Amino acid sequence: TQLLEQSPQFLSIQEGENLTVYCNSSSVFSSLQWYRQEPGEGPVLLVTVVTGGEVKKLKRLTFQFGDARKDSSLHITAAQPGDTGLYLCAGAGAGNMLTFGGGTRLMVKP
Amino acid sequence: NAGVTQTPKFRILKIGQSMTLQCTQDMNHNYMYWYRQDPGMGLKLIYYSVGAGITDKGEVPNGYNVSRSTTEDFPLRLELAAPSQTSVYFCASSLRDPGLYEQYFGPGTRLTVT
Repeated sequence: TQLLEQSPQFLSIQEGENLTVYCNSSSVFSSLQWYRQEPGEGPVLLVTVVTGGEVKKLKRLTFQFGDARKDSSLHITAAQPGDTGLYLCAGAGAGNMLTFGGGTRLMVKP
Repeated sequence: NAGVTQTPKFRILKIGQSMTLQCTQDMNHNYMYWYRQDPGMGLKLIYYSVGAGITDKGEVPNGYNVSRSTTEDFPLRLELAAPSQTSVYFCASSLRDPGLYEQYFGPGTRLTVT
């Protein structure tokens, strides 16, 4: 079974601060996705990274895939209250199905 | 486009009862999935289907059954409900491989078994 561990599990910060969320595994993934989920809704895809070392930017969000394709990070610059939510990483492994991490619950206070 | 729709939104079952969670997508996606999400946790794959007539087990299939008679519909059946099946259930679909193609999720069904 492939496992993805996310850290931290919870993060509460003030508006304007920067933060980084980590997603780690001992397994190699062919691709890795980040999702954001708001209360009472399903997850929504933010980004897919495929190549080891790949960096993708989405406005104030920067995603990086580790060189060995075993880990990933999500960095948010100048967080805003609208960034509040549950952030999930998911890796594609055996059979190409996704394995989800446990999630990082982010709260950004005004 | 409605995307992925799920019914019901909420349900309370007694131990031993049965029910079917409905899922429909109108995007002509080949792949469909059922996940469960326990409080404060990530998603675990129950069953998936790569096309009509084809289904396969995911990580946590015990206690569930699925069928895929059409491209649009992918119902999830709970035969003998147990408290351990209390969870939020999400249906999702993607055009092809979930690692490369976006999965679109429904709004979820919150199930409580007492």
